[in-house]
Amino acid sequence: AQRVTQPEKLLSVFKGAPVELKCNYSYSGSPELFWYVQYSRQRLQILLRHISRESIKGFTADLNKGETSFHLKKPFAQEEDSAMYYCALRGSQGNLIFGKGTKLSVKP
Amino acid sequence: KAGVTQTPRYLIKTRGQQVTLSCSPISGHRSVSWYQQTPGQGLQFLFEYFSETQRNKGNFPGRFSGRQFSNSRSEMNVSTLELGDSALYLCASSWGGQGIENTIYFGEGSWLTVV
Repeated sequence: AQRVTQPEKLLSVFKGAPVELKCNYSYSGSPELFWYVQYSRQRLQILLRHISRESIKGFTADLNKGETSFHLKKPFAQEEDSAMYYCALRGSQGNLIFGKGTKLSVKP
Repeated sequence: KAGVTQTPRYLIKTRGQQVTLSCSPISGHRSVSWYQQTPGQGLQFLFEYFSETQRNKGNFPGRFSGRQFSNSRSEMNVSTLELGDSALYLCASSWGGQGIENTIYFGEGSWLTVV
């Protein structure tokens, strides 16, 4: 089965604290994974693609095939990071399979 | 470069009616896909069109259909609307090939309320 699991519905941290949003996947073969972010009243937008190994807005994510995980991390959270974060897997047919999302709330 | 554009942004329909939603992809993108977003089910894939042909389909009833035109613009139609069809419908586009440049970009969505 092809599946993405985000175990936390809500994650609340204080500004300046480290953040880790968890994502686990189930996929046979080489997965292609993404993190999308949706700020309040804005469209869903791409944050990270594992294939490009980039760092955007201080966020990084490493694919761990042994643990089938693609956790999103940031060393120091900012208030503007508050948003819904979705982990997504490109399915075998090419479509995206999304997790249920984690709402990140960064308190001042 | 203009992003993915969807119309209408908001609409209210009555049970039993049908609705058509429209999407204009990013210029140069040939793949258009549709997703349904609800609080309970999250983001679910409806279907994908590439070069006017349906290339991939999710697990939705036949009441949900779509098409793509020669200019890559796409429409989706939902017939015999049910209350459970109330959702945010997202259109997404990509160039449709393989590799890093095949990132999928989303529109702002069409909010459908069925009463």
